[in-house]
Amino acid sequence: QVTLKESGPGMLQPSKTLSLTCSFSGFSLSTSGMVVSWIRQPSGKSLEWLAAIDWDGDKYYNPSLKSRLTVSKDTSNTQVFLKITSVDTADTATYYCARSLPHNNWFDYWGQGVMVTVSS
Amino acid sequence: DVLMTQTPVSLPVSLGGQVSISCRSSQSLVHSDGNTYLHWYLQKPGQSPQLLIYRVSNRFSGVPDRFSGSGSGTDFTLKISRVEPEDLGVYYCLQSTHFPLTFGSGTKLEIK
Repeated sequence: QVTLKESGPGMLQPSKTLSLTCSFSGFSLSTSGMVVSWIRQPSGKSLEWLAAIDWDGDKYYNPSLKSRLTVSKDTSNTQVFLKITSVDTADTATYYCARSLPHNNWFDYWGQGVMVTVSS
Repeated sequence: DVLMTQTPVSLPVSLGGQVSISCRSSQSLVHSDGNTYLHWYLQKPGQSPQLLIYRVSNRFSGVPDRFSGSGSGTDFTLKISRVEPEDLGVYYCLQSTHFPLTFGSGTKLEIK
């Protein structure tokens, strides 16, 4: 079955770089057209799509955050990473990774999310 | 960015009742390929969002037929009939026709 799980530092200080990992099973990111995205949600608020990487290594970023985001994947195609530079308190949120099947630009499976707090 | 406006913000319902949630977009969601990429999710308390409906009216695997989606262009509706306790939570619409993908602000379904 398809599962995704996010991991991250829990808490970090303003101006630091946030590094997140999405580990998944039940599908391969080497499958043509497969995509994994990152989405975040501040507590009590709505969802914001951040970035995506596809099977071929092509990367897509939300223009509002593009300068601070880097998405990548491992060579075994079982993990996807997201880095956010120069974090501040506005980056405090639960971060999710989610899968999109080939030719389907919606998210069918999501991870449980990882909460990240930015605080001094 | 395409603005997705959901109404109402909060929706009290009696168990067994029927409700409708509206999602309106600031631009038409008809893609150049002819498809309309409007989807619905339910986020139960303490959980991640789960896909209910994709491309306006298609139920995802395992979603009961009490859930139905409709609409076109900029105006979309999610209907839930015979509401059950497991349906409670926040409903979000998502558009993926235009880049970047954007979500609605959410509608909280709660017991009356």
